[in-house]
Amino acid sequence: GEDVEQSLFLSVREGDSSVINCTYTDSSSTYLYWYKQEPGAGLQLLTYIFSNMDMKQDQRLTVLLNKKDKHLSLRIADTQTGDSAIYFCAVPIYNQGGKLIFGQGTELSVKP
Amino acid sequence: EAQVTQNPRYLITVTGKKLTVTCSQNMNHEYMSWYRQDPGLGLRQIYYSMNVEVTDKGDVPEGYKVSRKEKRNFPLILESPSPNQTSLYFCASSLSRTGQTNYGYTFGSGTRLTVV
Repeated sequence: GEDVEQSLFLSVREGDSSVINCTYTDSSSTYLYWYKQEPGAGLQLLTYIFSNMDMKQDQRLTVLLNKKDKHLSLRIADTQTGDSAIYFCAVPIYNQGGKLIFGQGTELSVKP
Repeated sequence: EAQVTQNPRYLITVTGKKLTVTCSQNMNHEYMSWYRQDPGLGLRQIYYSMNVEVTDKGDVPEGYKVSRKEKRNFPLILESPSPNQTSLYFCASSLSRTGQTNYGYTFGSGTRLTVV
């Protein structure tokens, strides 16, 4: 079945870049998403990439998509302590009522 | 403010006592869905609804019921809760029936349910 995989933890120093990686199996998605979950909060859409794009930049965020390898990454430049959260890669499955398949989430810890 | 509202935020209940978690959205979204989040398992879809009176099972529907009598509301019903339903629950909605838009899904703040 469809699967989305992420590493579970990432620790960086404040001011460094963070790179969170994701691999997926289903390739029918038109959009791929990154969600952010802060402690005690719901999921907030952070950014997305359209499937015919290789890269999308949005201020400190850069999303890279390699469709051939089914690999998605999120780069956060100049990481701040406020970026500490869990980041989820999410892929909608078109032929299953738009079900979102989530990775397990990557917990980003930013040390001062 | 455009949002998905879930209630309650926290709930502790006993095994077998029926409960309902409410979900309401004010964005006129057609698509609504329930997910549960468990450590190490990520988020898994319980049920979804593409429109009023149209619902279907997700990946983990056992022990849950839903209804969609109005477009804005999508309650999650646990007829006889058991401890393995202790989890963090999220309601989500989307403008598109396929869920594929640049807006993604809008999530509620979550309901933390404990069944003892």
